[in-house]
Amino acid sequence: QQQVKQSPQSLIVQKGGISIINCAYENTAFDYFPWYQQFPGKGPALLIAIRPDVSEKKEGRFTISFNKSAKQFSLHIMDSQPGDSATYFCAASRGEGGFKTIFGAGTRLFVKA
Amino acid sequence: DAGVTQSPTHLIKTRGQQVTLRCSPKSGHDTVSWYQQALGQGPQFIFQYYEEEERQRGNFPDRFSGHQFPNYSSELNVNALLLGDSALYLCASSTTHYGYTFGSGTRLTVV
Repeated sequence: QQQVKQSPQSLIVQKGGISIINCAYENTAFDYFPWYQQFPGKGPALLIAIRPDVSEKKEGRFTISFNKSAKQFSLHIMDSQPGDSATYFCAASRGEGGFKTIFGAGTRLFVKA
Repeated sequence: DAGVTQSPTHLIKTRGQQVTLRCSPKSGHDTVSWYQQALGQGPQFIFQYYEEEERQRGNFPDRFSGHQFPNYSSELNVNALLLGDSALYLCASSTTHYGYTFGSGTRLTVV
């Protein structure tokens, strides 16, 4: 119940294309769903996040779509750029019971110039 | 404004030894969480400290222990190191569960 399943494991997209990463969760007690971006040699950095009372959130080229009934959420990167090449992690957390955040296994994105 | 600071950045230890990793949280953050990230994997939750006490713990053995100091900084201690403990250890600070600020991590290699 504590797992967050992420797909695909890796993704290659042409410059200007749309990158889509999907995640699924089981525990309906999660109330915060962030996405983190990690570059080699660095720690993950918070990219964008959503709460389950909202179906979509957009920040610049990054959009989260959230489907509460299906317990799924996805990250869309519009107009993908070579600088977006990184590993992306979805995550889920809950405030009640200790604020633990659970991470997906990650998606390695490569944007071809 | 400094973010999360971790030290050392790299460390090589021998099997059976003990190691201490350190973390200074972002200014204003009172909660520190530690994660282990194996190569090519997502961060795995080790434990979280708040008000100098361990608030939550993941599925890690008792060889992993920690501490939080009154200034909110934290240490992660690992005893009896195994080869499988080789990983990037990440410290994250926060005030709530709404988004962490991560440090760049400590790369631990056990030989």
